[in-house]
Formats: sequence, structure tokens, C-alpha cells
Amino acid sequence: GAVVSQHPSWVICKSGTSVKIECRSLDFQATTMFWYRQFPKQSLMLMATSNEGSKATYEQGVEKDKFLINHASLTLSTLTVTSAHPEDSSFYICSTTWEGRGRDEQFFGPGTRLTVL
Amino acid sequence: EDQVTQSPEALRLQEGESSSLNCSYTVSGLRGLFWYRQDPGKGPEFLFTLYSAGEEKEKERLKATLTKKESFLHITAPKPEDSATYLCAVQGDGNEKLTFGTGTRLTIIP
Repeated sequence: GAVVSQHPSWVICKSGTSVKIECRSLDFQATTMFWYRQFPKQSLMLMATSNEGSKATYEQGVEKDKFLINHASLTLSTLTVTSAHPEDSSFYICSTTWEGRGRDEQFFGPGTRLTVL
Repeated sequence: EDQVTQSPEALRLQEGESSSLNCSYTVSGLRGLFWYRQDPGKGPEFLFTLYSAGEEKEKERLKATLTKKESFLHITAPKPEDSATYLCAVQGDGNEKLTFGTGTRLTIIP
């Protein structure tokens, strides 16, 4: 099946710094990528939807100036958490749908654990 | 607004003891209901998609069923390697957004 990778798998940073998380589709072209956030014992919450070559669509309550998303190619989307604070500590997961397998199946990356000190 | 409620929150079973997990949902026009498995510290792994009431799908020891208000994930004769959190999600008409429940944490005791 389709494979989605994320880098880094975990990151620890100081409050006020920015962190970039990469999401790559390894064996197919992903026109749409989704970014989720998951707090301990809570469900995955969609943050934003990004389409290659256009601006991301953010969910209500998600600050677009704090969570910068770039989807510059069909295989790479990046999420930058700007001026991170401890409350941004979470598990960030990307996903994508693959046209070849039908748009109903979303493939998820392995996730990135962000800890802000 | 789409909503998904999963129960129980946690379930401990002896190896070989069959049971069912519940997913209740409200959605404006169901495009699909999804089941995922998530191991600690990892992303969700796709299991099933169900599209209409009455539909059933099976994979090894798992079977998913769907009605107009809920879905069940039946696990038959589970093994310790089936221990994981099982997530249910719905997708409404006209969009690709998935709304997830909080999951059921399943533990199979050898």
C-alpha cells in the first residue's frame, strides 16, 4: 500500500523557537494532505487541509499564522510551528489520499512527537 | 457538526475472548465510516471503510458492521497482538474531512 513518512519522529525544543515537520508520500503523488494533532487520550483533530500549489484551508480555531503549511510539491508538505509554546506539545500526524486507490482511504504517517520546554 | 462517540473507552479481554467495540455517529450525509488501528506512538493504520447500512467487512479476526446510527467492530478469538487503540471516523458528503472518536483502548491478556 501507499507509504507516508514524517520527519522528525520526535523533537524537543525551547519555548519561542520554530519547528518544521515534513510529511512525504514515498511511492505516489499526493495532491491533498491533511495535518492532524492528537493530545494524550484524545481523538485526532484535523488542523488543516493542504492542496499542492495552493493555500491551506485551516479548521476553525487553528491559527494559520502560527501553524504554517507549505505543500510545494506532490510528494512533500511541511508544517512549521512558529514561536512554539508548551501548550503546542502534542503528536502531529499527516495523512493523504491516493487517487489510484480511490479517495476514500487516507494513509497516515507515523507521527511526530513535539515537546516544547 | 459531525460527531463520533466510541465505547467502551478501554476494554481488557482474555486471549480468545470475543467482544465488540461500538461507534455511534451523527453526520449530515454519510460518505463513509472508517475504522483504524493505532499502536502507541504511531499513526493510525487503515482497517475498513463502510459506506451504507447493512454493509459488513472482514479482515482476519475483525469484522465491521454498519447501521444508520452506529458501527460495531467485532473481534473474534483475539490474540495479544490485537492489543491497540481502535479508532472510528466518519466522513460526510461533500468533503474529505474525517471526524474521529476518542478510540477504544483494547488490551488482550495472554
